[in-house]
Amino acid sequence: GAVVSQHPSWVICKSGTSVKIECRSLDFQATTMFWYRQFPKQSLMLMATSNEGSKATYEQGVEKDKFLINHASLTLSTLTVTSAHPEDSSFYICSARDPLAADQETQYFGPGTRLLVL
Amino acid sequence: AQKVTQAQTEISVVEKEDVTLDCVYETRDTTYYLFWYKQPPSGELVFLIRRNSFDEQNEISGRYSWNFQKSTSSFNFTITASQVVDSAVYFCALSEPHTGGFKTIFGAGTRLFVKA
Repeated sequence: GAVVSQHPSWVICKSGTSVKIECRSLDFQATTMFWYRQFPKQSLMLMATSNEGSKATYEQGVEKDKFLINHASLTLSTLTVTSAHPEDSSFYICSARDPLAADQETQYFGPGTRLLVL
Repeated sequence: AQKVTQAQTEISVVEKEDVTLDCVYETRDTTYYLFWYKQPPSGELVFLIRRNSFDEQNEISGRYSWNFQKSTSSFNFTITASQVVDSAVYFCALSEPHTGGFKTIFGAGTRLFVKA
């Protein structure tokens, strides 16, 4: 299957700072990537759909100005948590689909980023 | 509306036992896709299987097997002769065609503990 990487794998930051998380598709080009958030012992919640060359589509209740998404190339999407606060601490996971693959409906996930805001 | 229900929050079995994880879905579309993912303690989601709505054939892959029943809107997952390494959270997911692609929702997950 397709490979998706994510960086960093974990980050600890002070309240009020901004944190950038990168998501890369390593062996395919992804016009669309997805950002999820997962709280402990809970399911994945879709935050936004990242579209290459255009604005991201945010799910209801997700603050666009808080979670900035940039999809500047076909292999890279970034999520920036601006002015992070302790309640933003979570596990953030990205995924991507390979539009040219036979299983283009399948999402392949990155390893996730654990964010802890002190 | 899309919905995926995994009624079993946690399951605990002893090694070598068989275990079935249930998944029931709701959709209005005739074309859709169903998935199972495994999330071990490390956190990374591992793709296990994809099924489209027109293919009701059951599938077996090693100790894993899947039973897709459209009549009951279920897509259950069975692990035969479970092993400690199977301990993880398992998510069932449903994808439907949506503007610009597919929209996927995940069930709440079933946490499986396999004891030695």
